Amino acid sequence: NAGVTQTPKFRILKIGQSMTLQCAQDMNHNYMYWYRQDPGMGLKLIYYSVGAGITDKGEVPNGYNVSRSTTEDFPLRLELAAPSQTSVYFCASRSGTGGSYNSPLHFGNGTRLTVT
Amino acid sequence: EDQVTQSPEALRLQEGESSSLNCSYTVSGLRGLFWYRQDPGKGPEFLFTLYSAGEEKEKERLKATLTKKESFLHITAPKPEDSATYLCGTGGGNKLTFGTGTQLKVEL
Repeated sequence: NAGVTQTPKFRILKIGQSMTLQCAQDMNHNYMYWYRQDPGMGLKLIYYSVGAGITDKGEVPNGYNVSRSTTEDFPLRLELAAPSQTSVYFCASRSGTGGSYNSPLHFGNGTRLTVT
Repeated sequence: EDQVTQSPEALRLQEGESSSLNCSYTVSGLRGLFWYRQDPGKGPEFLFTLYSAGEEKEKERLKATLTKKESFLHITAPKPEDSATYLCGTGGGNKLTFGTGTQLKVEL
């Protein structure tokens, strides 16, 4: 079982460049999430989606964009990369319906991004 | 605003030396307190969900407990393979708030 797959694993960007972080899940989960994890700061929610065609902002959405055209894929777009976006990015998914948070998150293994 | 605080930040144990990790929380409308384990270079892996004060769950050497204000992750007779960062999180709706984690190192 692949679960949640993130690509690439590592990337170095120059300031002002753009890139897309890919995330795919094969569990037919409705809910998908993007988090960033910085040392000593915990996981911060960037964007989330409750199903294909529906996305919403999380805690730290500035500088990022998302789309959800299929159930399986949830790419995260960085436009005009800045050093403050240096972080480890995790994609996650979960099953379930409604607004509750009862079902656990399944995480990918992350993309480590450096912006210089 | 939901807040989750974990302590200690780091913990070093000898193999077999039991201890507890703490997760204090303030949320409006608890819909589950989650514990995850994160190994270096990996994504967090789900361990437990607790829903109500007094609830306990166990998995091998780990036991999670919940009160109205905090959760504990008890580690009994830990082994080196238990070394990892342990994260807790809670919240309502789709905005789960995570703590910064406790980095556990178990030595022989």
